[in-house]
Amino acid sequence: DAGVTQSPTHLIKTRGQQVTLRCSPKSGHDTVSWYQQALGQGPQFIFQYYEEEERQRGNFPDRFSGHQFPNYSSELNVNALLLGDSALYLCASSPALDRGDPSENEQFFGPGTRLTVL
Amino acid sequence: AQSVTQLGSHVSVSEGALVLLRCNYSSSVPPYLFWYVQYPNQGLQLLLKYTSAATLVKGINGFEAEFKKSETSFHLTKPSAHMSDAAEYFCAVSLYGGATNKLIFGTGTLLAVQP
Repeated sequence: DAGVTQSPTHLIKTRGQQVTLRCSPKSGHDTVSWYQQALGQGPQFIFQYYEEEERQRGNFPDRFSGHQFPNYSSELNVNALLLGDSALYLCASSPALDRGDPSENEQFFGPGTRLTVL
Repeated sequence: AQSVTQLGSHVSVSEGALVLLRCNYSSSVPPYLFWYVQYPNQGLQLLLKYTSAATLVKGINGFEAEFKKSETSFHLTKPSAHMSDAAEYFCAVSLYGGATNKLIFGTGTLLAVQP
């Protein structure tokens, strides 16, 4: 089992550019969540995707958008990059909440994509 | 609204000493609580979780945590620190029975282990 994979590992962009980050969930998982972890901070929830739809969104502007594909993989897109978007972007996958015991619904995290905006 | 507070952004212990990392939560409904560890340049690894079963939860690598509702706490402990425990630790809360299982994290505690 490959676990949660993310690509690329590192990325450098300039202000105003657009970026796409990719995530493949753990085998058997169909829910994908994205988190932003700024330097020295805890991860912050961006949004969660299930059945190719955004199920819940955190306090992030519309410049942050996402997509989930039929194979459950997901993309995070950020438009009009700002210096403050520099962070580690983490993807987490889990089984659907309505399946199985809720207490067993654990999120598995990928290694992250380090985005630097210059 | 749910939140977690981690007291102490940096904790330093000697190898072999007790590790105590503090976490207090705020939740209007019964929470799920988690401790994650993050090694440099890596993602998050789950250490242990509380999901309303036993209040004393044992995790990986010798860590354990006790859920105390009266104190709204979920402190992480390990009897004897090892050099390999040096990492950043995050406490997180999730809403039981919510529409999603999104996690709300604390700001983290960086654990240093001195030889």
